[in-house]
Amino acid sequence: DTGVSQNPRHKITKRGQNVTFRCDPISEHNRLYWYRQTLGQGPEFLTYFQNEAQLEKSRLLSDRFSAERPKGSFSTLEIQRTEQGDSAMYLCASSLGGKQGRSKGYTFGSGTRLTVV
Amino acid sequence: AQSVSQHNHHVILSEAASLELGCNYSYGGTVNLFWYVQYPGQHLQLLLKYFSGDPLVKGIKGFEAEFIKSKFSFNLRKPSVQWSDTAEYFCAVFRNSGYALNFGKGTSLLVTP
Repeated sequence: DTGVSQNPRHKITKRGQNVTFRCDPISEHNRLYWYRQTLGQGPEFLTYFQNEAQLEKSRLLSDRFSAERPKGSFSTLEIQRTEQGDSAMYLCASSLGGKQGRSKGYTFGSGTRLTVV
Repeated sequence: AQSVSQHNHHVILSEAASLELGCNYSYGGTVNLFWYVQYPGQHLQLLLKYFSGDPLVKGIKGFEAEFIKSKFSFNLRKPSVQWSDTAEYFCAVFRNSGYALNFGKGTSLLVTP
């Protein structure tokens, strides 16, 4: 049990459909991150929340992508009008804030693998 | 441009061989450095980290890494690998001026019996 839970584990969708993924972080972690990982690449940063505030978004996060963390607990990542290029593993991570958070690093979930056909 | 570079994309070693995986970063200023490992079918796990102090840091499972500031490097080492070390290894850098960890592309390590 990693402590960071992601659902679903796998999602196959047709091009043009919308998909939503959920991440439940470790309960005491106030920071939450979304990353995308494609084959042969390291995780690429998408967006970051501190509590319910979305503080940073990568240029990778196009207008079709939206992320929320409404109560500062779980988070959702929605992709609208999916494209084949969106096929990837979507990773969620959480951490404590400040120096303590950095010193312990992130805890990652197992990811949601999206396949767009 | 890739800000975290891992030189070896695929490494194949026999059991008991020594391992060194290279990592260089291009950020200036204060950084925190990490190595993560991803075993087949599992999530990313922290192997070790450097924040300050002794530049030689020890992590889990016999891994260690050395931070050489002048070379902007944080290479991962293990004196004698085991078959169970087969995994993907990712170097990551946290800039004090930023919010998020930046990862290298990873190195796939295969240890043969």
